[in-house]
Amino acid sequence: DGGITQSPKYLFRKEGQNVTLSCEQNLNHDAMYWYRQDPGQGLRLIYYSQIVNDFQKGDIAEGYSVSREKKESFPLTVTSAQKNPTAFYLCASRARDRPSYEQYFGPGTRLTVT
Amino acid sequence: EDQVTRSPEALRLQEGESSSLNCSYTVSGLRGLFWYRQDPGKGPEFLFTLYSAGEEKEKERLKATLTKKESFLHITAPKPEDSATYLCAVQPINTGTASKLTFGTGTRLQVTL
Repeated sequence: DGGITQSPKYLFRKEGQNVTLSCEQNLNHDAMYWYRQDPGQGLRLIYYSQIVNDFQKGDIAEGYSVSREKKESFPLTVTSAQKNPTAFYLCASRARDRPSYEQYFGPGTRLTVT
Repeated sequence: EDQVTRSPEALRLQEGESSSLNCSYTVSGLRGLFWYRQDPGKGPEFLFTLYSAGEEKEKERLKATLTKKESFLHITAPKPEDSATYLCAVQPINTGTASKLTFGTGTRLQVTL
């Protein structure tokens, strides 16, 4: 089955620690995205990548970093510089050669930092 | 600034009671409007893409429509399994090939027996 996987489903960290969230897709999609979802707010874009070895900041990139070394993988690191890291993190991907532009989402990772 | 506003914030329906969710948007130019369904603790599931005013799309009990200022998600004879949060997102034309989406906060729908 083609799809997007995120791991782990739940992640707990102490304040001051960096943590990396995994996102893998086998849909052969070129573009990948990271969003953050908080209660009462819409999804907010953290970073996105349209091709391997290239990525751009989204609306709330401060305190986060990404890499795109392989087409299938787009890991997100939440650094200790992120002021409010506790949130639900969603990874998405999109095929660039389709006439439509919808993004497909993974199951999410809930990060709790105490 | 691109904006997406949903209404109502929450909706409670009885099984079989049809209704509509609204998504109002403000963008400089619309490339596409997207509807997603999200169950608690899960990622959004893609439902529909609408590109131009007058367009309609259907899937089972759901029908999405689009005007120049808003989109409606009509739910006909809903069942309890339709309970979820329904999200609306817009892609402005000026995002180019990046396909950056602006999301609203979603409508929480609960369908009871």
